[in-house]
Amino acid sequence: ETGVTQSPTHLIKTRGQQVTLRCSSQSGHNTVSWYQQALGQGPQFIFQYYREEENGRGNFPPRFSGLQFPNYSSELNVNALELDDSALYLCASSQEGGGDYGYTFGSGTRLTVV
Amino acid sequence: GQNIDQPTEMTATEGAIVQINCTYQTSGFNGLFWYQQHAGEAPTFLSYNVLDGLEEKGRFSSFLSRSKGYSYLLLKELQMKDSASYLCAVRGDYKLSFGAGTTVTVRA
Repeated sequence: ETGVTQSPTHLIKTRGQQVTLRCSSQSGHNTVSWYQQALGQGPQFIFQYYREEENGRGNFPPRFSGLQFPNYSSELNVNALELDDSALYLCASSQEGGGDYGYTFGSGTRLTVV
Repeated sequence: GQNIDQPTEMTATEGAIVQINCTYQTSGFNGLFWYQQHAGEAPTFLSYNVLDGLEEKGRFSSFLSRSKGYSYLLLKELQMKDSASYLCAVRGDYKLSFGAGTTVTVRA
């Protein structure tokens, strides 16, 4: 059984650019959530995808968008990057509803915006 | 809205016991999770409580009181490898809301 895989692990972008982060969900999981974790803070919910549809969104602007594919993998896209977007981006997969074991997290993508 | 509070830092000695408290005020409740996160790594699942009471898993135990909006994570027989951040997270309708995390430092 494979876990959650995220790519790339590290990324440096310039303010105003666009970035795409990728996530492969754990085998048997059909729901993917994305979180932003600033240094020294807890993860903040960005959005969740189930059956290729966004079914929940946190307090993030529309320049944060995503996709889920038929194999349940997912992408997070961020347009018009700002310095404050520098953070660890975590992807978490789960069964619908999260179950008793909640969410399996990937190791994250460390994004630095300069 | 969601408000989840936990202490910022705690320090304890190897072999000792540490209790990390978490209080929450959330618009929905479908369970409370505790995760361990080492610096630069993914959060890893420790425990899940949805009913009041104590759940024990080896050296780790977690307690929940829904009426008080309160949980704690108890770490027993502390080891150096337990030095990490511990995250309290409440599941609402479809998402996890996290506290800022408690950094636990274990000293020899």
